[in-house]
Amino acid sequence: AIWMTQSPSLLSASTGDRVTISCRMSQGISSYLAWYQQKPGKAPELLIYAASTLQSGVPSRFSGSGSGTDFTLTISCLQSEDFATYYCQQYYSFPYTFGQGTKLEIK
Amino acid sequence: QVQLQESGPGLVKPSQTLSLTCTVSGGSISSGSYYWSWIRQPAGKGLEWIGRIYTSGSTNYNPSLKSRVTISVDTSKNQFSLKLSSVTAADTAVYYCARRSLLYLPGGAGGAFAFDIWGQGTMVTVSS
Repeated sequence: AIWMTQSPSLLSASTGDRVTISCRMSQGISSYLAWYQQKPGKAPELLIYAASTLQSGVPSRFSGSGSGTDFTLTISCLQSEDFATYYCQQYYSFPYTFGQGTKLEIK
Repeated sequence: QVQLQESGPGLVKPSQTLSLTCTVSGGSISSGSYYWSWIRQPAGKGLEWIGRIYTSGSTNYNPSLKSRVTISVDTSKNQFSLKLSSVTAADTAVYYCARRSLLYLPGGAGGAFAFDIWGQGTMVTVSS
C-alpha cells in the first residue's frame, strides 16, 4: 500500500490568512491525487482532483499543486466556512488511501 | 442530481456480520463509467477505503479487510451493498458509500478519478 504523510495535523489560522497543507507519498503517484474537505458530522466533499484541478463549484481561493511524491493544498484567503478537516487521497494504486487529515481551526 | 443514502442496522454484535445498503437516487447505478465504493471512518479518526464494485459485478477490496468483505450490486433496485463478517469493536465507525467518477481535465487533457458524490454516512456500533 502507498502510505501518505499529511502535515500538519493541526493548523491554527485566522480569517484572511493564506495556509498550506502538505501531503507526501511513500512512492510516486504522478498526479493521481485528490483533496477533500470534511466538516463535523458531514461526509467529505471533493475539492481538487488530478492534484490541481478544481472541482466544479469550489471557490478559486483553493488550489492544489505537486506531482510525484509531494503535493500541496493552498487556501489563499481563509473564510469562516473553510475551517474544517482536509484529507488528501491517492488513486494511483489499490488500496486507495487517505492522509491522516489536517484540522484547520480558528486561531 | 444523484444522491446516495446508506441504510442498515446501527448496532451489530461482535462476531456477527455487518450489512449495509447504499441506494442511488436521481440516476441509474448502471449509467456511465462509475465505480461504487464503501469507505469508513472511526470516530475522531481518518478515512479508510473498504472496497468498490462496478455494475458488471467486478470488485476490488482493501487487502486489510479482504477476507471479511463482500460488496455486491443490485441494478434492479439501484443499490449496492456491503457485508463485513466477524466484526469486532474495531469495526465501529461511520460508514459512507461514495461514487468514483471519471472527471474531465481542462483543455481536453484526458480525465481523472475521484469520489465526487458521497452518502451522508451511517454510524455502526459493534457491541454486545
